[in-house]
Amino acid sequence: GESVGLHLPTLSVQEGDNSIINCAYSNSASDYFIWYKQESGKGPQFIIDIRSNMDKRQGQRVTVLLNKTVKHLSLQIAATQPGDSAVYFCAERKSSAGGTSYGKLTFGQGTILTVHP
Amino acid sequence: EAQVTQNPRYLITVTGKKLTVTCSQNMNHEYMSWYRQDPGLGLRQIYYSMNVEVTDKGDVPEGYKVSRKEKRNFPLILESPSPNQTSLYFCASSIRDRVTDTQYFGPGTRLTVL
Repeated sequence: GESVGLHLPTLSVQEGDNSIINCAYSNSASDYFIWYKQESGKGPQFIIDIRSNMDKRQGQRVTVLLNKTVKHLSLQIAATQPGDSAVYFCAERKSSAGGTSYGKLTFGQGTILTVHP
Repeated sequence: EAQVTQNPRYLITVTGKKLTVTCSQNMNHEYMSWYRQDPGLGLRQIYYSMNVEVTDKGDVPEGYKVSRKEKRNFPLILESPSPNQTSLYFCASSIRDRVTDTQYFGPGTRLTVL
C-alpha cells in the first residue's frame, strides 16, 4: 500500500557535524511534504515544508531536498547541536482531485537523531 | 501564545468506561485532526474536521467519535474503550490551504486502558 518510510531508524552524530535524514515515499500523487521534529514527551513540531514543484528549500540551519524521480526526501541539518536530538518524521500529503489540497497527511515512522557533545 | 491544548495529559481507565479527551486551539484554524502514535506504527490519523460541523474518518476511526460544534474545540470520544486503544494521542490544527499545511500539534495525551 501507499506509505512513507525512512531508510535509517537511528542516526548518531557528533556536535558540529552535518546530519542527513532520509525518507522514501511511494505515492507519486503527493504534492506537499513536511518534516517534523518530536522531542521526548512533546508533540511533533513543524520544521520545514516543500511543495512538489520545488526540489530544494532552505530554512535556518535546515535544508529539505526533494527528488521526485526516485520519490526521495531528505532533511539536512547543518552544524548539528545537542538540542537537535529528537525523532524526525517526514509526512506527505496527496493532492485531492481538482487540485484542492485537502488530502490527509501520511507520516513515516521516524528517525531517532542523537547528537553527542 | 498560539497553541493547541489537550486534557487530560495522562489517563488510566478501565475497559468500557466512556471517556472524552478535549482539544482546543486559539489560532482560529479551520482544520483539526486527531492522531494516535504507537511504537513501530508512527502517527496515524483517527478523525479530522475541515470546519464546524464537518468531520470525516481518517485511517483508524474504529472505536472513536468526534464532534466539532465550535471552531476552537475538537473533542475525541471513546464510548467503550478497549485495551487496544492504549496509545499516545495527539490533536493538531492548521490553516490548510493549497499552499501550506503546517499542522500545530498539542502536547499529547497518554491513555492506558486496563
